[in-house]
Amino acid sequence: GAGVSQSPSNKVTEKGKDVELRCDPISGHTALYWYRQRLGQGLEFLIYFQGNSAPDKSGLPSDRFSAERTGESVSTLTIQRTQQEDSAVYLCASSLSGTALSYEQYFGPGTRLTVT
Amino acid sequence: GNSVTQMEGPVTLSEEAFLTINCTYTATGYPSLFWYVQYPGEGLQLLLKATKADDKGSNKGFEATYRKETTSFHLEKGSVQVSDSAVYFCALRSNDYKLSFGAGTTVTVRA
Repeated sequence: GAGVSQSPSNKVTEKGKDVELRCDPISGHTALYWYRQRLGQGLEFLIYFQGNSAPDKSGLPSDRFSAERTGESVSTLTIQRTQQEDSAVYLCASSLSGTALSYEQYFGPGTRLTVT
Repeated sequence: GNSVTQMEGPVTLSEEAFLTINCTYTATGYPSLFWYVQYPGEGLQLLLKATKADDKGSNKGFEATYRKETTSFHLEKGSVQVSDSAVYFCALRSNDYKLSFGAGTTVTVRA
């Protein structure tokens, strides 16, 4: 079946503009995660959704970052007033549930954000 | 908190060489351990995993053994191919849902 999809694949924006990044999880997956991968670094956890609620937003780096999820489907990560340090690849993942460690997280291809 | 430290790259090898990528971790509780791989132009994929001490994960000729006594999960492959060129990430998951990743190791295999 279809995997996790993300759009856009690439986004170049000017400093100070707002951007929205979209994630379509695998159908039936109740858990959704956003991670960030800066150049040469590992992935950093940003936020976790179980259904449409976000029990853990602890990884969001500032109040310029927000995310929402519609039901158990699409999620949008919004970055307001972008800064150059926001440049990274933003990865979305989904799993059947977030409550069991055995469930694998499946990753999307990512959105490469460049802030000029 | 949880953390993962893996061998820095880049690593360049010839085909049929032996590959080892070291990974050590710090975690609370009893973590599950993972190796993810990112091939050029592709998304992150799970390569193998181990969920308890002394478990060995294996896939595509790669192996890693969960060593609780040394808090390690080193990745090995006995004979690499050009198609194994990729970035490899060690990760753990402990008592919750989020994965903690190492910085990644870039491996290039030359024919």
